[in-house]
Amino acid sequence: GAVVSQHPSRVICKSGTSVKIECRSLDFQATTMFWYRQFPKQSLMLMATSNEGSKATYEQGVEKDKFLINHASLTLSTLTVTSAHPEDSSFYICSASGGSRETQYFGPGTRLLVL
Amino acid sequence: GNSVTQMEGPVTLSEEAFLTINCTYTATGYPSLFWYVQYPGEGLQLLLKATKADDKGSNKGFEATYRKETTSFHLEKGSVQVSDSAVYFCALRRDSGNTPLVFGKGTRLSVIA
Repeated sequence: GAVVSQHPSRVICKSGTSVKIECRSLDFQATTMFWYRQFPKQSLMLMATSNEGSKATYEQGVEKDKFLINHASLTLSTLTVTSAHPEDSSFYICSASGGSRETQYFGPGTRLLVL
Repeated sequence: GNSVTQMEGPVTLSEEAFLTINCTYTATGYPSLFWYVQYPGEGLQLLLKATKADDKGSNKGFEATYRKETTSFHLEKGSVQVSDSAVYFCALRRDSGNTPLVFGKGTRLSVIA
């Protein structure tokens, strides 16, 4: 199957700082990438959908100025959590689809802890 | 709106036991249905899928049949192994691969030897 990577896998930061998470599709061109957030023992909640070269579409309740998403190329999307606070601590997961690939492929996730 | 409801866990089974994890959905139109599995410390992996009514998805001994009349997509396996211990997510997708998935809350399965 296709491979989607995320970096970093784990990050700890101080409150008020910004954190960038990268999502890469390693062997296919991802025209669409999705960003999800997963709370402990909860399901994945869609945060936003990003299409290469255009602005991301955010779900209701997700602050676009706080969670900046950039999808500048067909293999890379980034999520930047700006001015992070402890309540932003969570597991962030990206998925990618594109080309002839109907299936979405998920990254391994990034665990963010804000102190 | 679209939603997925799956049985709450955790589910604990002995090795070689029969597994059923119930999943029902609410959606307009004819969604595609999926089961994803998340092993400890790893990302989600597609386990199986079905794209139309009466389709049966199968993989690694797991099966699920798309039942439109009961809006269900229950996951089954005849004989579970310790290595099947993971969290299982039922999900639906309305349209093409470029639309997001809607997930159920996940069911944690623990298989003991």
